[in-house]
Amino acid sequence: QLQLQESGPGLVKPSETLSLTCTVSGGSISSSSYYWGWIRQPPGKGLEWIGSIYYSGSTYYNPSLKSRVTISVDTSKNQFSLKLSSVTAADTAVYYCARQLSWGTPIPHDAFDIWGQGTMVTVSS
Amino acid sequence: SSELTQDPAVSVALGQTVRITCQGDSLRSYYASWYQQKPGQAPVLVIYGKNNRPSGIPDRFSGSSSGNTASLTITGAQAEDEADYYCNSRDSSGNLVFGGGTKLTVL
Repeated sequence: QLQLQESGPGLVKPSETLSLTCTVSGGSISSSSYYWGWIRQPPGKGLEWIGSIYYSGSTYYNPSLKSRVTISVDTSKNQFSLKLSSVTAADTAVYYCARQLSWGTPIPHDAFDIWGQGTMVTVSS
Repeated sequence: SSELTQDPAVSVALGQTVRITCQGDSLRSYYASWYQQKPGQAPVLVIYGKNNRPSGIPDRFSGSSSGNTASLTITGAQAEDEADYYCNSRDSSGNLVFGGGTKLTVL
């Protein structure tokens, strides 16, 4: 059974770069049917999609975060990673990684069908 | 602000039927997916596509869509269905977006 696990520092200083890794176990990240995504949730607030990556390295990002976000994939380690630069307190959130089922042409449809447990990242000096 | 609009809160009597809605112009083109989130837990996919339930999701959960509105219906709500529910789809530019969420209370 496929599982996802986020890892990385729980505390990041303002203006620095937040770095998280999602390790996929029980299946291959190189499956052609799926993208792999990052979603975050500030305390007491709703979900926000950050961006997604295909195993080939193709990415797309939330326009509101695009200038600060980089998502990469390492198929040899079955991992994908998130970097968010120039963080502020507004980036404090639980960060989730998730498998993104994507289907349909020419109109794509999506669903995040498997999620990691989430990791809390606090931005504070 | 989200391009998918949900009512902040909805309540339902135990055993009754409740509909949670998600509105957005992009829903005329894209399916919505629906997630249940209980306190302190990761979201769980409950409905995706036209009306598909992942394995393990009870059949009291169903989805539908009409015009610019997608709906999640719980037929015979149970106490364990009390949670936050989020819709997810693409916006008019094709970017993924979540609705603001609906807090469901089962009375």
